[in-house]
Amino acid sequence: EAQVTQNPRYLITVTGKKLTVTCSQNMNHEYMSWYRQDPGLGLRQIYYSMNVEVTDKGDVPEGYKVSRKEKRNFPLILESPSPNQTSLYFCASSSQTPSSGNTIYFGEGSWLTVV
Amino acid sequence: QQQVKQSPQSLIVQKGGISIINCAYENTAFDYFPWYQQFPGKGPALLIAIRPDVSEKKEGRFTISFNKSAKQFSLHIMDSQPGDSATYFCAASGAWGGSQGNLIFGKGTKLSVKP
Repeated sequence: EAQVTQNPRYLITVTGKKLTVTCSQNMNHEYMSWYRQDPGLGLRQIYYSMNVEVTDKGDVPEGYKVSRKEKRNFPLILESPSPNQTSLYFCASSSQTPSSGNTIYFGEGSWLTVV
Repeated sequence: QQQVKQSPQSLIVQKGGISIINCAYENTAFDYFPWYQQFPGKGPALLIAIRPDVSEKKEGRFTISFNKSAKQFSLHIMDSQPGDSATYFCAASGAWGGSQGNLIFGKGTKLSVKP
C-alpha cells in the first residue's frame, strides 16, 4: 500500500528542546515536501526536496531544517522550537514535481504543541 | 502574484444541494489546478484536477469549471451528501523559473452538509 508515514503523530514539547519529525514514503518518489497547516492560513510549504541531497526553502522555512540523505526519508528538524511553531505538520511526496500533474500524497499529519 | 484566493471560508449546504467553492489566481504561468479534500484527522487527498486547455472536468458528482480569461476556477459538488463534509483546498502550480513546480494552496473551505 502506498504510504507516507510521519512520526510522531502527536507531540507536546517545551520551548528550545530540539525535536525531529520523521517522514518516510514507500513509493520511490523523488519529490518530497513539508507543509504546516494553521487555521485560516491553509497549507504553507516549509521545505521541499527534488531528490536525494537536493533541498530548498518553501514559503515559511524560518526555524526549520531538513535533510534528504535517502530517497525514502525526509525528516523535519526544529532545532529550537518556539510556541509559534505550534501547528499541524504534513509531509508529502510525489513521483515528480506537482506541476507535472503528478499526484502528491500526504501523510496523516503530526500535531505539534510547543509550550 | 503567487497567491491563490479561495472563497468562501466556510459553507453550509443541505443534503442534495449544490456546493460551490471558488478560487482565483493571478499568475498566468500556473498550468495545473488540483482540488484536495481533507477529512478531520487526515491528510489532504487529491479529489480532482484540471489543466487550462479545458474549461470543465467532471468526475462523478464533482466538477471543476475553469475560466482562463478570468483566472478563476471552481469546484461544484452536485447532490451534496453528509459524507462530503470536509475541508476543501484549491491549489495551483506551474513550471516557471524558480517555482520548481510547487503547489500553492488556497486557505481552504470548510464544507458542512446538513442531513
